[in-house]
Amino acid sequence: DAGVIQSPRHEVTEMGQEVTLRCKPISGHDYLFWYRQTMMRGLELLIYFNNNVPIDDSGMPEDRFSAKMPNASFSTLKIQPSEPRDSAVYFCASSFWDPANTGELFFGEGSRLTVL
Amino acid sequence: GDSVTQMEGPVTLSEEAFLTINCTYTATGYPSLFWYVQYPGEGLQLLLKATKADDKGSNKGFEATYRKETTSFHLEKGSVQVSDSAVYFCALISNTGNQFYFGTGTSLTVIP
Repeated sequence: DAGVIQSPRHEVTEMGQEVTLRCKPISGHDYLFWYRQTMMRGLELLIYFNNNVPIDDSGMPEDRFSAKMPNASFSTLKIQPSEPRDSAVYFCASSFWDPANTGELFFGEGSRLTVL
Repeated sequence: GDSVTQMEGPVTLSEEAFLTINCTYTATGYPSLFWYVQYPGEGLQLLLKATKADDKGSNKGFEATYRKETTSFHLEKGSVQVSDSAVYFCALISNTGNQFYFGTGTSLTVIP
């Protein structure tokens, strides 16, 4: 079975450039999460969607960050303009609603972003 | 609000040593509790879970028991291997929704 697929795996860009990270969740999952992981701050939730609708974006650091989910099988996280402090590993994860709340998060392999 | 606190790392152990990584939680209601593991260069993956008080989750020789009286979910393994070297995250899912809360992670290095 295909898991959560993220692209690109690695991205190196220069400050000021636009960066777009992509995610394909597991088919049938109705929740999608974007996380950022750094040594300093650990794993941070940026935003999550339910049935393609953004539910909580309070973790998005600032207006330079935006996320969309145009359909159930695709989401993007965009940074424009990028800054060196955005360098991190960005993870996408998906899950399905479970009435017993025993659900599990399935993570992609991450996109490692380096902004020079 | 809901939160998870886990012991600071890094932890370094010799092969076959006993492992404990402490995790405590704060939550309203009755959350489900998880341990996730992240191997180098990979995403997080579920290691084990427990959905109600006194449940014990186990996998790959790791165990954790959901203790409501102490609001804890400590991870243990009797004999660690080099291949267990990874970062371990304690997490909960709130029973008020599908919001996951992760601890800060504990890095484990096992030396031969």
